[in-house]
Amino acid sequence: EPEVTQTPSHQVTQMGQEVILRCVPISNHLYFYWYRQILGQKVEFLVSFYNNEISEKSEIFDDQFSVERPDGSNFTLKIRSTKLEDSAMYFCASSEDSGVGSPLHFGNGTRLTVT
Amino acid sequence: AQSVTQLDSHVSVSEGTPVLLRCNYSSSYSPSLFWYVQHPNKGLQLLLKYTSAATLVKGINGFEAEFKKSETSFHLTKPSAHMSDAAEYFCVVSDKVDYKLSFGAGTTVTVRA
Repeated sequence: EPEVTQTPSHQVTQMGQEVILRCVPISNHLYFYWYRQILGQKVEFLVSFYNNEISEKSEIFDDQFSVERPDGSNFTLKIRSTKLEDSAMYFCASSEDSGVGSPLHFGNGTRLTVT
Repeated sequence: AQSVTQLDSHVSVSEGTPVLLRCNYSSSYSPSLFWYVQHPNKGLQLLLKYTSAATLVKGINGFEAEFKKSETSFHLTKPSAHMSDAAEYFCVVSDKVDYKLSFGAGTTVTVRA
């Protein structure tokens, strides 16, 4: 069964550094998402992406964050200058369409630790 | 705005006994509801979904959930727990106004031999 793959599985970085989290969505999916889960808190929506542009973003997704689909297969999340509070598990997801009943397929996540 | 409340943060059951994970939702419009499972060091896997068809939904691994509009609930059940069911379970809602998924806080299930 096709899967969403995320790399790396664990990233450690120093405060102020830039990080790029990488995702390869399922190949025939058109809608892409990033969610995150801070330890002990709920999974939170960050951003959705369709047709090479952001379709929706949350308050968390400020100017520090950016997303890109640099080629036909990768979908990346960049954090420009990491803060301690960015430490979390980041999940990439994709879906075939954006309808309300369309399930998202999630990757295994990247655990980001900012020191 | 939509939201989900998972009533139990932790459920412990014996192998072979029933599992019940409780979820209540709030949504202004016809919601879609999902249950996702997360095993250790794994991603979020879809167990089942409700999208305004049959109110009793069957999912993978023997799980099922019943949508009860009058109670705004979507509880997840399994008649007989297996050791491999030990994981974290998330109840999730989206609706026609807010397509984004809203997650519950999660319920951790442990299964005793």
